Amino acid sequence: DSGVTQTPKHLITATGQRVTLRCSPRSGDLSVYWYQQSLDQGLQFLIQYYNGEERAKGNILERFSAQQFPDLHSELNLSSLELGDSALYFCASSGGVNQPQHFGDGTRLSIL
Amino acid sequence: EDQVTQSPEALRLQEGESSSLNCSYTVSGLRGLFWYRQDPGKGPEFLFTLYSAGEEKEKERLKATLTKKESFLHITAPKPEDSATYLCAVQGSNSGYALNFGKGTSLLVTP
Repeated sequence: DSGVTQTPKHLITATGQRVTLRCSPRSGDLSVYWYQQSLDQGLQFLIQYYNGEERAKGNILERFSAQQFPDLHSELNLSSLELGDSALYFCASSGGVNQPQHFGDGTRLSIL
Repeated sequence: EDQVTQSPEALRLQEGESSSLNCSYTVSGLRGLFWYRQDPGKGPEFLFTLYSAGEEKEKERLKATLTKKESFLHITAPKPEDSATYLCAVQGSNSGYALNFGKGTSLLVTP
């Protein structure tokens, strides 16, 4: 058990809809990272938050947004969903610079 | 742009048959190279971090090594429970603290 909790585990929705994915980091970790994993692209970095502030952005679409709350949990919001957004979405947390990132078990998003 | 290439894509071993997985990388200012193991339906599980060329780390049947261009994950006398996808990732000075992952090596160890 990595200590990183993601909910829900599975999400099935339709094109054009909006969903929210939730992540609780390991106790004490201030950094939260979001990644997308698809069969053809592998794991791709989306966005990082540190203690409530956005720190880095990767290949995140404008339809996607995230935030980190004062209790350090984070949410990833995906809107105007398209079939191609179907993927596994992982959250990871770390305790500091150069520290390993520990991953949750992901949310599997299926767009019908 | 940081790049990570893992080979082979898939590897099948008999129990006890040692082998190595390769991770070739190009990065601007390596902060760290990370190895993860991922089981089906699970998130990546952290194995090792290597920071500089010449560094080695071991854990049970696994040993990770690092040069300036590549890293190897050596698996000695593997067991069926070592079957998983092994992911390599680099953290470069130009990418903040994000990890840039390779596509992984899928390892199957048969009894």
